[in-house]
Amino acid sequence: AQSVTQLDSQVPVFEEAPVELRCNYSSSVSVYLFWYVQYPNQGLQLLLKYLSGSTLVKGINGFEAEFNKSQTSFHLRKPSVHISDTAEYFCAVSSQTGANNLFFGTGTRLTVIP
Amino acid sequence: SAVISQKPSRDICQRGTSLTIQCQVDSQVTMMFWYRQQPGQSLTLIATANQGSEATYESGFVIDKFPISRPNLTFSTLTVSNMSPEDSSIYLCSVGEQLRFEQYFGPGTRLTVT
Repeated sequence: AQSVTQLDSQVPVFEEAPVELRCNYSSSVSVYLFWYVQYPNQGLQLLLKYLSGSTLVKGINGFEAEFNKSQTSFHLRKPSVHISDTAEYFCAVSSQTGANNLFFGTGTRLTVIP
Repeated sequence: SAVISQKPSRDICQRGTSLTIQCQVDSQVTMMFWYRQQPGQSLTLIATANQGSEATYESGFVIDKFPISRPNLTFSTLTVSNMSPEDSSIYLCSVGEQLRFEQYFGPGTRLTVT
């Protein structure tokens, strides 16, 4: 089975400052990794994904994430945040074998302060 | 990515009643999933909706409480039966393709049980 830990439940950051949202996972098999964003009163939108290849993946809205296999981490970063980035961010994993089930972390609430 | 709609977008229901949530996709998809997001929490997979056969339920979820139908490759329903206040959640459907691994989510149905 897989599990995901997002250590920071809330991250406040000033506008135009950089941000890192942390994600660690646990799995006995190889996994695929995802970041989703949920804006208030909306569904989830895929930000980026790691399936294979380069460990640095770029997503929408200027976000990027780096897969670190030895540390079992997949932290999300943005060099300069905007007010519109205020949202809930979820890290998720899926096993490379078997069903395509997604296992989600508990989420990190990013609040961008003007 | 596929465009996914859900009906209703929200509802307030009385204890003991049932609600059926519809999920419609604008293209044929291999896999459809149903998730629950309880207030302030992450997403939990309820079941995988299989076209033409019984849904596959995750641990802690049973068919009598959450019957699911999937009559074709673009449509699925989730029924929340004999509701109690603990069923108050956002219910989301998602879709995926067998070899693509990422999932795309509908806007969700916000259910409040009084």
